Formats: sequence, structure tokens, C-alpha cells
Amino acid sequence: GDSVTQMEGPVTLSEEAFLTINCTYTATGYPSLFWYVQYPGEGLQLLLKATKADDKGSNKGFEATYRKETTSFHLEKGSVQVSDSAVYFCALSGSGNTGKLIFGQGTTLQVKP
Amino acid sequence: NAGVTQTPKFQVLKTGQSMTLQCAQDMNHEYMSWYRQDPGMGLRLIHYSVGAGITDQGEVPNGYNVSRSTTEDFPLRLLSAAPSQTSVYFCASSRGVDTGELFFGEGSRLTVL
Repeated sequence: GDSVTQMEGPVTLSEEAFLTINCTYTATGYPSLFWYVQYPGEGLQLLLKATKADDKGSNKGFEATYRKETTSFHLEKGSVQVSDSAVYFCALSGSGNTGKLIFGQGTTLQVKP
Repeated sequence: NAGVTQTPKFQVLKTGQSMTLQCAQDMNHEYMSWYRQDPGMGLRLIHYSVGAGITDQGEVPNGYNVSRSTTEDFPLRLLSAAPSQTSVYFCASSRGVDTGELFFGEGSRLTVL
């Protein structure tokens, strides 16, 4: 079945460091891909998305490119801030017209001043 | 803007007790869903609804019931709580079943003793 695998955390970085969170997926068909972010004590919110191969999603300095050949959707940011500390979830749209999103296990990012 | 509102935020139950988690959205979204979040497992879909009067099961529906009598509300019922249902529950909505952009509530943390 469809699945998403994220790099294990926690990831600890200093402010202004470069961030990469790896995400690979297994899916039939052509799913849309998403990154969601969960700040402490809050629900998830959409960070960015890409709906087809080679699309690049971007928001708030974060970017991710839909790579069909490597089945990947890695999240990157050039210079992280303390306020980026959160849990990041990679997800794909499930098949079967259920509206279901299949989530990875989440990666905790801690940014230190 | 209220968005998706969940109540209660915290609840402790004893095994065998019943309760209802409430979810309401004010965005006139047709699609609503319930996920549970467990450590190291990401989010898993419990039940979903594509419109008033229509509900269906997700990947982990056992022990939970839902109904959708109005567009706004989508309560989740635990009929006889079990320790395995200790989790954080998120309600989410979207405009349609294929948009992929879910709007999440802040979550309800449930502990079953």
C-alpha cells in the first residue's frame, strides 16, 4: 500500500543553519505531496504542496520538489530560525477518493539560538 | 476566524466509559475527518465524511462511531473506551475530497485508564 517514510528525528540545528528533512514515498498512481507543520500545542497546518512531478512547492522560505524518479519530496530551508521549531510531517494523497492523507511519522526540529 | 473547533482539549476516562469528542467548522467545508496521532506513527484516519448524511470508515475505525447531521458538525463517539484509544485526536476539514489541503483543529488529548 501507499506509504511515506521520513528521516528520524529529532533534528537539532543552530539558528541560520541549512535544513533538510528527507521524505520518500511509495504510491500507485500520481499522488499529490504535502508538508504539514505542527507547532507546540497546535493542530497541523499546511506548509506547502506539489501536485505533479517536478513541481516545487514553497512557503515561508521552505521548499520541496516533487521528484518522481527518486520518489522523494525533501523539505529544505536555507536559514532556519528559532520560530521554525516544530514537528514536520510529509504526506501524500491516498487513492480511492476518500480524501485521506497518508502521513509520515513526523520529524521534530529544534532550532537553538 | 474560528476555523475548526474541537472540544474538549483534554479528557481522562476509565476503561468502559463512553464519550463524544466534538468537532465544528465554520468554513462551509463539505469534507470532514478524524485522525488519531500516536508517537512514531504519524496520523491515521479513523472516519471521514464527504457531506451531511454521508460517513465512511478510514483505516482504524474500530471502537469509534461518527455521524454527520449538519455540514458544520462531525462528532466522534467512543462507545466503550479502551486503553488502546489513549491518543491525541484531530478533526480536519477541507472544501472537497480531492483538495488535499486539510484544516486541522487543535486536537483533543484523551487518556483511558
